[in-house]
Amino acid sequence: GDSVTQMEGPVTLSEEAFLTINCTYTATGYPSLFWYVQYPGEGLQLLLKATKADDKGSNKGFEATYRKETTSFHLEKGSVQVSDSAVYFCALSWAGGTSYGKLTFGQGTILTVHP
Amino acid sequence: DADVTQTPRNRITKTGKRIMLECSQTKGHDRMYWYRQDPGLGLRLIYYSFDVKDINKGEISDGYSVSRQAQAKFSLSLESAIPNQTALYFCATSDTPEGGSISSYNEQFFGPGTRLTVL
Repeated sequence: GDSVTQMEGPVTLSEEAFLTINCTYTATGYPSLFWYVQYPGEGLQLLLKATKADDKGSNKGFEATYRKETTSFHLEKGSVQVSDSAVYFCALSWAGGTSYGKLTFGQGTILTVHP
Repeated sequence: DADVTQTPRNRITKTGKRIMLECSQTKGHDRMYWYRQDPGLGLRLIYYSFDVKDINKGEISDGYSVSRQAQAKFSLSLESAIPNQTALYFCATSDTPEGGSISSYNEQFFGPGTRLTVL
């Protein structure tokens, strides 16, 4: 079945450092890919998405490129802020069969940014 | 007001008790979902409903049941709570692909979560 694997955390960075959170997936066909973010005490909210190969999703300085050849969707940000401290989830959604519209999540990566 | 609300936000209960978690949405979406979140495991789908008359089991439905009372309301029940059901529970909604086409990129909107502790 479909699965998503994220790099293990937690990740601790200083403000203005470069961030990469790795995400790889296994799926039949061509899923859409997402990054969701969960701030402390809140539900998940969509950060960015990409619906086909080579698409780049971007939002709030974060970027991720859909790489079909490496089945990856790594999240990057050039300069993190303390306010970026949160849990980040990679997810996929596939349009096939009985699975369409549902999300499969990775295990989440905790990011802590220090001043 | 929040688009997706969950009640209660926190609940502590004892083993064997029946618990109901409620979710309401004002987004007008047909699709609703229940997930549980456990540390290191991400979110796992318990049940989902694509409309009022369509309810389906997710990957971890054992020990849970649901009721879709209306388009806007989707409740999750634990008939006899056990300690390993201690978790953070999230409700989510999403829109239906336009024109009946199969589209996989509809965003899901999440409620704030219910923290359930079963002693």
